[in-house]
Amino acid sequence: GAVVSQHPSRVICKSGTSVKIECRSLDFQATTMFWYRQFPKQSLMLMATSNEGSKATYEQGVEKDKFLINHASLTLSTLTVTSAHPEDSSFYICSARLQGRDTEAFFGQGTRLTVV
Amino acid sequence: DAKTTQPPSMDCAEGRAANLPCNHSTISGNEYVYWYRQIHSQGPQYIIHGLKNNETNEMASLIITEDRKSSTLILPHATLRDTAVYYCIVRVANGNKLVFGAGTILRVKS
Repeated sequence: GAVVSQHPSRVICKSGTSVKIECRSLDFQATTMFWYRQFPKQSLMLMATSNEGSKATYEQGVEKDKFLINHASLTLSTLTVTSAHPEDSSFYICSARLQGRDTEAFFGQGTRLTVV
Repeated sequence: DAKTTQPPSMDCAEGRAANLPCNHSTISGNEYVYWYRQIHSQGPQYIIHGLKNNETNEMASLIITEDRKSSTLILPHATLRDTAVYYCIVRVANGNKLVFGAGTILRVKS
């Protein structure tokens, strides 16, 4: 199946700094990518839909100025957590879907962010 | 997208079939049933999906009832590596979002 790669897999940063997470579709073009956040023992929560060449669409309650999403090419979307705080510590996961009517989505391996 | 209901957890003996149920009583005619699983600290993995016919691939089988109000994911010979959280999701064809519910924690035991 198609491969979605996330980088880094783990990151520790100091409170107040910004962290960038990359999501790449390795063998297909993705006009749309998705960013999720998952807290311990909870399900995945959709944060935003990233559209190539246009602004991301954020879910209700997600601060767009704090979680900056850029989708500059058909194979790369980035999520930047700005001015990170300990409560932003979480597991961040990206996803991309092949074009088509009923295709499946493929997920990255996730990024474990710890803010200290 | 239609809401799904799954049992919070299930146990299965290694080597036996694991049958994971999912209710989606408000599913619409153009909504597909997707199954994903998430092994601890990894991204979700696609398993299978279907519209109304039963489906089978190398990982699992998907049985959808005739009225499409429920489905069952079958792992024919569960192994310890199948221990994971299994998510049943319904989504409109060509719809963008995958919205995850709580899923079912499947524990395969030796």
